[in-house]
Amino acid sequence: GGIITQTPKFLIGQEGQKLTLKCQQNFNHDTMYWYRQDSGKGLRLIYYSITENDLQKGDLSEGYDASREKKSSFSLTVTSAQKNEMAVFLCASSIQGAIEQYFGPGTRLTVL
Amino acid sequence: GDSVTQTEGQVTVSESKSLIINCTYSTTSIAYPNLFWYVRYPGEGLQLLLKVITAGQKGSSRGFEATYNKETTSFHLQKASVQESDSAVYYCALGGRQGGRALIFGTGTTVSVSP
Repeated sequence: GGIITQTPKFLIGQEGQKLTLKCQQNFNHDTMYWYRQDSGKGLRLIYYSITENDLQKGDLSEGYDASREKKSSFSLTVTSAQKNEMAVFLCASSIQGAIEQYFGPGTRLTVL
Repeated sequence: GDSVTQTEGQVTVSESKSLIINCTYSTTSIAYPNLFWYVRYPGEGLQLLLKVITAGQKGSSRGFEATYNKETTSFHLQKASVQESDSAVYYCALGGRQGGRALIFGTGTTVSVSP
């Protein structure tokens, strides 16, 4: 088995601040994803990466950057934090071509 | 576009009673969608409960069942007799045939099982 680790678990920032969320997986999966979940809503895709150094935009990519420097890690940067994007950010991974995704525990973002 | 609808946001059910959580889907871009139920137990991360990739087939796990009905575009989750430990948030999701694509999630149904 494997595990997905997300750091930090809770992230508090000021409006306008640049903030970075990190995700590590030891499944040796090729594909990694960042989703955002707002309270009472489903998950929406921000970015995904099919392999190392690849980046693909999701429906919600505006205001975010992502980085996949190595196979096991995928970072998400909030370029200028806004109060309306307080949410839980979930990282996921999958084997390339596989349909199942495995999720991390999430990072809860609060913007003051 | 593609979407998943879960009509019940919150469901309360007594222990040992039956449970059904409704899920319908709509897709214009995926010819043969895969369907999933994910679950988040209190204090835990999101995990796959069951999946079905072929229309007409049934998936099952932990006493839960869901049948992929292409005619009604539905994938309802059912359990004949729930336990307190089934209290969780349940998400229906839709995915494409090829991996490496986003899953489309419903808004989730919070199930509370009372003793």
